[in-house]
Amino acid sequence: DAGITQSPRYKITETGRQVTLMCHQTWSHSYMFWYRQDLGHGLRLIYYSAAADITDKGEVPDGYVVSRSKTENFPLTLESATRSQTSVYFCASQTGPYTEAFFGQGTRLTVV
Amino acid sequence: AQSVTQLGSHVSVSEGALVLLRCNYSSSVPPYLFWYVQYPNQGLQLLLKYTTGATLVKGINGFEAEFKKSETSFHLTKPSAHMSDAAEYFCAVSRMDSSYKLIFGSGTRLLVRP
Repeated sequence: DAGITQSPRYKITETGRQVTLMCHQTWSHSYMFWYRQDLGHGLRLIYYSAAADITDKGEVPDGYVVSRSKTENFPLTLESATRSQTSVYFCASQTGPYTEAFFGQGTRLTVV
Repeated sequence: AQSVTQLGSHVSVSEGALVLLRCNYSSSVPPYLFWYVQYPNQGLQLLLKYTTGATLVKGINGFEAEFKKSETSFHLTKPSAHMSDAAEYFCAVSRMDSSYKLIFGSGTRLLVRP
């Protein structure tokens, strides 16, 4: 199916564990983004990528790592999960500058 | 620096009443503006966008928004609320730099009373 998909949809992990959230898009959009959504904060940008092998930090990058070896994939890794990283994570893609973003369904991550 | 302010974290209207969700932006250059809707347990969907040209923008599901440069506003309206409009709404502005990132407001939750 065409679109942007995130996996898993729900994840519970323990403090200190490494966890990877996957994002895959079928459109070959150049730009991809990771946001986290928390009550009272709206959406905050974690990392973004303008193309394969090009990534950059957003507002709240600490504790996260990204890679983009292929245009269609943009995984987000929490190196050592903390309770403050409990959140809903959204991946998004854009065709180019000043265009709308297309969002995945989100991953609800709980760190216990 | 660009920013977005959404007035009112919650707005409650009766079914059939006018919906007005407020968004003000801050930008040193002409902005690109967006409204998104988020239904429970789903991602964000684009409602409408303003880039250039006509200042009154029509979107999906009967929503529209008017870009008012003098007021730095981009309020979202719908003449008659429907129960299915209950959701969270986000205003966003596109950063006019190489990052092409969207800056989101904190969101407004719309409640529709029967």
